[in-house]
Amino acid sequence: GNSVTQMEGPVTLSEEAFLTINCTYTATGYPSLFWYVQYPGEGLQLLLKATKADDKGSNKGFEATYRKETTSFHLEKGSVQVSDSAVYFCALSGRSSASKIIFGSGTRLSIRP
Amino acid sequence: NAGVTQTPKFQVLKTGQSMTLQCAQDMNHNSMYWYRQDPGMGLRLIYYSASEGTTDKGEVPNGYNVSRLNKREFSLRLESAAPSQTSVYFCASSEISTIGNQPQHFGDGTRLSIL
Repeated sequence: GNSVTQMEGPVTLSEEAFLTINCTYTATGYPSLFWYVQYPGEGLQLLLKATKADDKGSNKGFEATYRKETTSFHLEKGSVQVSDSAVYFCALSGRSSASKIIFGSGTRLSIRP
Repeated sequence: NAGVTQTPKFQVLKTGQSMTLQCAQDMNHNSMYWYRQDPGMGLRLIYYSASEGTTDKGEVPNGYNVSRLNKREFSLRLESAAPSQTSVYFCASSEISTIGNQPQHFGDGTRLSIL
């Protein structure tokens, strides 16, 4: 079945550092891929998505590229801010209308001023 | 825009008590979902409703029941609460898509403690 594996946290960085959070997936066919962010005390919010191979999703300075050859969708940001401190979830959805979203276990990110 | 609204935000129950978590969405979405979030385990799907009038079990349905009251509302009921059901519960909704690429919109969660 479909599954998502993302790097375990917590990840602690200094402000303005470069961020990478790794995500790999297992799926049949061509799933859609997502990154969600969860700020303290809130629900998950969609950060970005990509629906086909080589697509790049981007939002708020974050980027992720759909790599079918390596089955990966790593999240990157060139210069993180304290306000980026949150939990990040990688997720995938199969191609059929009956497909549910499968979430990774989440990576907690903390940014030091 | 309210999006997805969950009530209550916090609840403490005693073992064996029952309660219903309410969820409503105002985006005219067809699909709705209930998840639980536990430390280190990400989100686990309890039940979902692909469209009004249908419900299906997810990954961890035992101890829960659901009702899709209408297109807007999807409730989760704990008939006899157990300490293992202490968790944060999230409701979500999404539109149906023929290619499964529609993201889910989440409420802010209900923090439930069972003593």
